[in-house]
Amino acid sequence: AQRVTQPEKLLSVFKGAPVELKCNYSYSGSPELFWYVQYSRQRLQLLLRHISRESIKGFTADLNKGETSFHLKKPFAQEEDSAMYYCALGGGNKLVFGAGTILRVKS
Amino acid sequence: DGGITQSPKYLFRKEGQNVTLSCEQNLNHDAMYWYRQDPGQGLRLIYYSQIVNDFQKGDIAEGYSVSREKKESFPLTVTSAQKNPTAFYLCASSLIQGAIYNEQFFGPGTRLTVL
Repeated sequence: AQRVTQPEKLLSVFKGAPVELKCNYSYSGSPELFWYVQYSRQRLQLLLRHISRESIKGFTADLNKGETSFHLKKPFAQEEDSAMYYCALGGGNKLVFGAGTILRVKS
Repeated sequence: DGGITQSPKYLFRKEGQNVTLSCEQNLNHDAMYWYRQDPGQGLRLIYYSQIVNDFQKGDIAEGYSVSREKKESFPLTVTSAQKNPTAFYLCASSLIQGAIYNEQFFGPGTRLTVL
């Protein structure tokens, strides 16, 4: 069965500090991992996916199959990064989402 | 404004009543999904459909029903059998391209409250 774990409900950092949002997954097949973000009063939207290997808004995420992790990182947090972040795993015909982590960037 | 729309934005229901949430998309997407979003539990899949007149149960389908009579529309009915229906409901759609997991586009959501 697919499972996504985001251990932190809330992550609070100061502006300019590094950010790491943790995501671990469990899946017997070849995983496809995603990060979705929901800013205040906006729709849930895709931030990035591992197969694209892109940096979006300064965020990167590397798939580590050995540790079954897909942590989201940004070297210098900005106030506009404050949002709810969901890690998601594609398997079968559906996505499975983690519980989400609220990122608060303080000035 | 194109994309995926949900209505109503807020919905109040008395216990014992069925209610239907609307989801429409003009993106020509094949697949549509319904999720339930609860604090601390993330998004949980209720139902999904990859083609007209066909749909599959997700992880929490009990107490819900759907239909897919048109490609553009995927309404969700919350029945009186759903024991804890108060929640935020999200609809999404995506293309289907073989085994690739395409980006899901989400609607603005409907907040259902049972009185």
